[in-house]
Amino acid sequence: DQQVKQNSPSLSVQEGRISILNCDYTNSMFDYFLWYKKYPAEGPTFLISISSIKDKNEDGRFTVFLNKSAKHLSLHIVPSQPGDSAVYFCAASDTSYGKLTFGQGTILTVHP
Amino acid sequence: GAVVSQHPSWVICKSGTSVKIECRSLDFQATTMFWYRQFPKQSLMLMATSNEGSKATYEQGVEKDKFLINHASLTLSTLTVTSAHPEDSSFYICSAMWTTTTYTQYFGPGTRLTVL
Repeated sequence: DQQVKQNSPSLSVQEGRISILNCDYTNSMFDYFLWYKKYPAEGPTFLISISSIKDKNEDGRFTVFLNKSAKHLSLHIVPSQPGDSAVYFCAASDTSYGKLTFGQGTILTVHP
Repeated sequence: GAVVSQHPSWVICKSGTSVKIECRSLDFQATTMFWYRQFPKQSLMLMATSNEGSKATYEQGVEKDKFLINHASLTLSTLTVTSAHPEDSSFYICSAMWTTTTYTQYFGPGTRLTVL
């Protein structure tokens, strides 16, 4: 049972344009959501998070949107840069347990 | 801030031997540490959750006698793969969290284990 899903395995974007990565979840107990960036053979790097009491959180070029009714979140990167090319994982947490459930990841490629 | 280290970064061992992997939070005290495993081209699979000074909680299907976890201090957790076999070859990643202020987990760089 995949509780967190990233339905797009890959995304290709031109440098300077917006990258939009999507994530859906099924567990209504999730109340904290995170996005991580990962390179092969490295640990994930934390990018941005959002609590379920908010619908938007912004940090520089990264903005996360949460639509609780749709159980959907998205990460917007603008403007996209070639250095953003990596695998992006969304993760969700029921903070009463603290465990993270990860999506399958989306490979983002930003072309110069 | 929020730096987590792992040692070793890679290890090759013979089948039947035990391997210990260390996870350290360098600039914060981690009340909770997590151990994950990642197979090629797959997502991270949570193996266990460890709280300082108490026994680890293992996810369903993870053998606690094979994957021994010790969380002796607020900055160190260890994972020992006992009697390793080739199917244990994988990328093992730890994360750390301080729950008093945030639920964000910060990850170590990972350890590549190859069992011959």
